[in-house]
Amino acid sequence: EIMLTQSPATLSVSPGERVTLSCRASQSVFINLAWYQQKPGRAPRLLIYGTSTRAAGVPARFSGSKSGTEFTLTISSLQSEDFAVYFCQQYDTWPPITFGQGTRLDIK
Amino acid sequence: EVELVESGGDLVQPGGSLRLSCAASGFTFSSSAVSWVRQAPGQGLEWVASTSGSATDIIYADSVKGRFTISRDNSKNMVFLEMNSLRGDDTAIYYCVKSPNWGLSYFDFWGQGTLVTVSS
Repeated sequence: EIMLTQSPATLSVSPGERVTLSCRASQSVFINLAWYQQKPGRAPRLLIYGTSTRAAGVPARFSGSKSGTEFTLTISSLQSEDFAVYFCQQYDTWPPITFGQGTRLDIK
Repeated sequence: EVELVESGGDLVQPGGSLRLSCAASGFTFSSSAVSWVRQAPGQGLEWVASTSGSATDIIYADSVKGRFTISRDNSKNMVFLEMNSLRGDDTAIYYCVKSPNWGLSYFDFWGQGTLVTVSS
């Protein structure tokens, strides 16, 4: 089973700041990693798939990248609507399909 | 517009059974992989089960294997999750999700979820 470790667990930031969230895989998943955003009381929403491809309707301030087995979600300039929980998910080697434990973005 | 609407969540006693349904619309259902993903209260996401468009490929998480059964009715654009021998740690919101295809198992659309509570 491929484990995904997200860091940090919680991040307090101010609107307008640039933010980087990390997701490290326990082994290679190639580019088969997705990111989701979840707001309170809502279902998750796909942001990024294939490491760096934005889903339809996702603003350009969201970007994804990788270096080895470490994946990064960057939000270039935080907007008020971006405060949420972010999950990564690998779909390279399955079953099982696995998720990271999430990073919560709080308003500073 | 893609839509996934879950139903069937309820309060059930430990050891009991429940059947969840997911009504799909807005995409070519019979060629789309559909899965169930759950989220325990205040916790992260856990993949539960997946079925390919034709239901020839079906897979389960170890935590539910032998207790849960995923099925689909392509004539009605419906997916089901039959849950037996329910335990307290099955308490969660259950989301119906679709993937672009069987080989690309990220989840591009999610339903709103249905709550299953297992408690005496």
